[in-house]
Amino acid sequence: GAVVSQHPSRVICKSGTSVKIECRSLDFQATTMFWYRQFPKQSLMLMATSNEGSKATYEQGVEKDKFLINHASLTLSTLTVTSAHPEDSSFYICSAQRTSGSATQYFGPGTRLTVL
Amino acid sequence: QKEVEQDPGPLSVPEGAIVSLNCTYSNSAFQYFMWYRQYSRKGPELLMYTYSSGNKEDGRFTAQVDKSSKYISLFIRDSQPSDSATYLCAMARISGTYKYIFGTGTRLKVLA
Repeated sequence: GAVVSQHPSRVICKSGTSVKIECRSLDFQATTMFWYRQFPKQSLMLMATSNEGSKATYEQGVEKDKFLINHASLTLSTLTVTSAHPEDSSFYICSAQRTSGSATQYFGPGTRLTVL
Repeated sequence: QKEVEQDPGPLSVPEGAIVSLNCTYSNSAFQYFMWYRQYSRKGPELLMYTYSSGNKEDGRFTAQVDKSSKYISLFIRDSQPSDSATYLCAMARISGTYKYIFGTGTRLKVLA
């Protein structure tokens, strides 16, 4: 199989705090991981692409200083939402590619972030 | 014009019906075509994956790609209430990172 986990599954925080979301590939090594954001009844919007050991590539319009991504190992990537505000409330989903040269992405279960 | 167009639905069908879900796209550079199923408040689950044109079958699911028409389809035979979910098409170019472009998703409800 190709299992991707995310932690936490749900988080509620106060405005101004920072929140870290972890994405792990449990049974395979992921050379590339992706972070998406999904608003209710909308599709997934790619935020950034991260490769192990290098800086993430952010999509246009995504603030890299606000959404910090670290891909520390071949099985772990983290997304930190810094100084969160209510407009950052959303469903954040990560995905992982098994190996380079493979187009298939396996998705995590998502993290619902609510900023009060 | 969006790169990928998908009717958001909702689509309601009786149990046992054949369901046809479709996406159109504008960029001829897309080579990889995927269908994902997403239940409410869950991450997408890979259903089918095809490369270039042709058909692919897996159990009750059949994926078709017509690159000449820039049109892809997912057929679900003998639909079940458990198939009720949002179905997302996704496409990727041949490139270093294979970034996906998603359709908006079609909400399907199979009535018992």
